[in-house]
Amino acid sequence: AQSVAQPEDQVNVAEGNPLTVKCTYSVSGNPYLFWYVQYPNRGLQFLLKYITGDNLVKGSYGFEAEFNKSQTSFHLKKPSALVSDSALYFCAVRDPNTGFQKLVFGTGTRLLVSP
Amino acid sequence: GAGVSQTPSNKVTEKGKYVELRCDPISGHTALYWYRQSLGQGPEFLIYFQGTGAADDSGLPNDRFFAVRPEGSVSTLKIQRTERGDSAVYLCASSYLFGSGELFFGEGSRLTVL
Repeated sequence: AQSVAQPEDQVNVAEGNPLTVKCTYSVSGNPYLFWYVQYPNRGLQFLLKYITGDNLVKGSYGFEAEFNKSQTSFHLKKPSALVSDSALYFCAVRDPNTGFQKLVFGTGTRLLVSP
Repeated sequence: GAGVSQTPSNKVTEKGKYVELRCDPISGHTALYWYRQSLGQGPEFLIYFQGTGAADDSGLPNDRFFAVRPEGSVSTLKIQRTERGDSAVYLCASSYLFGSGELFFGEGSRLTVL
């Protein structure tokens, strides 16, 4: 069965510094990988996805993620963090062999950007 | 509406009562999903609909939970004989059937069982 792991419960970074939120996955075959963000009292919002092609994927709000097949990782990155980036971030994986679009989510990483 | 709409946004009920949670997906999205998010956890898959039929209900925790989508649009998640452990945020999402997997989520229904 497919799964993702987010090893950090919380990531702290100062505004203007680069940020990384880590995610590793386990799935047979080639995965579809996603990052979602959840602001307080809001629904999950899609940030970006990797399906195939270039390993560096660019998404919303200046975020990007790098797919690394050898390390089975899909870390989320941003060159310069903003206080408004503070939120809960979820990595998710879909096994394309299942035939439908069920996503399996990680436990989430809280990002706190300090002024 | 433009997005996925869920009602009620908050529901407080007593142990043993029956609860219905409603989801109105984005127009044109034939796939609909229910997830449950407990405090400090990621969303946990419950059930997936293709059109009117449940294509995968493997995530429903037990037979107290049931979901329907009779006309292929609005869906209702039904919980019988609620227990305190059912307290969570219930999320609904929709998508195109043959898309690449991006789900569009509603803001959720927070269920509290006293």
